[in-house]
Amino acid sequence: DIQMTQSPSSLSASVGDRVTITCRASQGFSNSLAWFQQKPGKVPQLLIYAASTLQSGVPSRFSGSGSGTDFTLTISSLQPEDVATYYCHKYNHAPRTFGQGTKVEIK
Amino acid sequence: EVQLLESGGGLVQPGGSLRLSCAASGFTFSNSAMTWVRQAPGKGLEWISSINTNGGDTNYADSVKGRFTISRDNSKNTLYLQMNSLRAEDTAIYYCVKTPYGAPFDYWGQGTLVTVSS
Repeated sequence: DIQMTQSPSSLSASVGDRVTITCRASQGFSNSLAWFQQKPGKVPQLLIYAASTLQSGVPSRFSGSGSGTDFTLTISSLQPEDVATYYCHKYNHAPRTFGQGTKVEIK
Repeated sequence: EVQLLESGGGLVQPGGSLRLSCAASGFTFSNSAMTWVRQAPGKGLEWISSINTNGGDTNYADSVKGRFTISRDNSKNTLYLQMNSLRAEDTAIYYCVKTPYGAPFDYWGQGTLVTVSS
């Protein structure tokens, strides 16, 4: 099974900072990679799918890139409402593995 | 409007059993694969099981294989998770998730809490 490893596990940044989260797969696969945002006490929300396609309604400061084994989620200008935990997710077929999550906080 | 309503969670002793249900509405249930995802308190998301449209193809995470059984009743628009031989580490919120083929999860239920403790 393909394992997904996210880094860092947590980060603290200032409002307006550029934030980058990395997800590495143990072996290459298609671009069936999504990013979810989960705020405390809420269900996860889809941000990005197909590695780089922005879900409708998601602010354009979020972007995704990558292919093969290395994928990246970027927040171009961190906002207070972006405080959340972010998960990468492989969805091409079972097991639909999640990364372990990256907790983003405001400095 | 798509709705997924989980039920059946609660407190159970180690070694016990529990059956979760997920009542689906707002979409053609029989045309959608479904998944259970769980989240232990303060921890990350864990995919645990998926089932195809007719129930003939199921998949399980190693952590639950042989103990949990996913099933569905398309006539009742309901997804199930039978959980046996429960352990403390199974304590989590269990989410029912609509699972489009070749696409990421698009709808999540609000979850039901399972607590395994003596």
